[in-house]
Amino acid sequence: EAGVAQSPRYKIIEKRQSVAFWCNPISGHATLYWYQQILGQGPKLLIQFQNNGVVDDSQLPKDRFSAERLKGVDSTLKIQPAKLEDSAVYLCASSLDVHPGANVLTFGAGSRLTVL
Amino acid sequence: AQSVSQHNHHVILSEAASLELGCNYSYGGTVNLFWYVQYPGQHLQLLLKYFSGDPLVKGIKGFEAEFIKSKFSFNLRKPSVQWSDTAEYFCAVNKASGTYKYIFGTGTRLKVLA
Repeated sequence: EAGVAQSPRYKIIEKRQSVAFWCNPISGHATLYWYQQILGQGPKLLIQFQNNGVVDDSQLPKDRFSAERLKGVDSTLKIQPAKLEDSAVYLCASSLDVHPGANVLTFGAGSRLTVL
Repeated sequence: AQSVSQHNHHVILSEAASLELGCNYSYGGTVNLFWYVQYPGQHLQLLLKYFSGDPLVKGIKGFEAEFIKSKFSFNLRKPSVQWSDTAEYFCAVNKASGTYKYIFGTGTRLKVLA
């Protein structure tokens, strides 16, 4: 089966600019996750969708970050305006909803953002 | 709130040495537990998981982990590591019911010397 697709793989922007990342999950996977992984740290959950509804976005900095998952399939994560501390790898993952929590995540390759 | 702690940030071992990586979580309810691995240049992928039943679970490549509920721990073990086990290892946890968040630890970077 095709994996989780993410683009772009790399992005370099100046602070205060905007950036958008795209994710296409595995076909049929109801749950989609966006994680931020800063160098030397574990993945931090930004937002979790189930179909096109938000399950959790408690750690999403909503003053600058936004995410949507239209039609319950692919998703876009936007940062506007970017700050230096947003430099990280943005990971998208998806999972089947077999039953609550007992889901194995399939990750994409990630989008590496550098903010100068 | 849920959280996951991994005690060892960097581990260096020689081939054939035994490995144990610590993972503790804080959550009072029923949980699902996972270890994920990221080999150099590759995506994060599942190593093993615990949902219920036998607390000793076996994963790929000879890895195993033991769930000790009283200690809120899910330590990863391998009796004899290989150079190809060089990778970063992440413990993860989520609730086993209701609305859940998939939370990861900070990771342990393992280097195995040939």
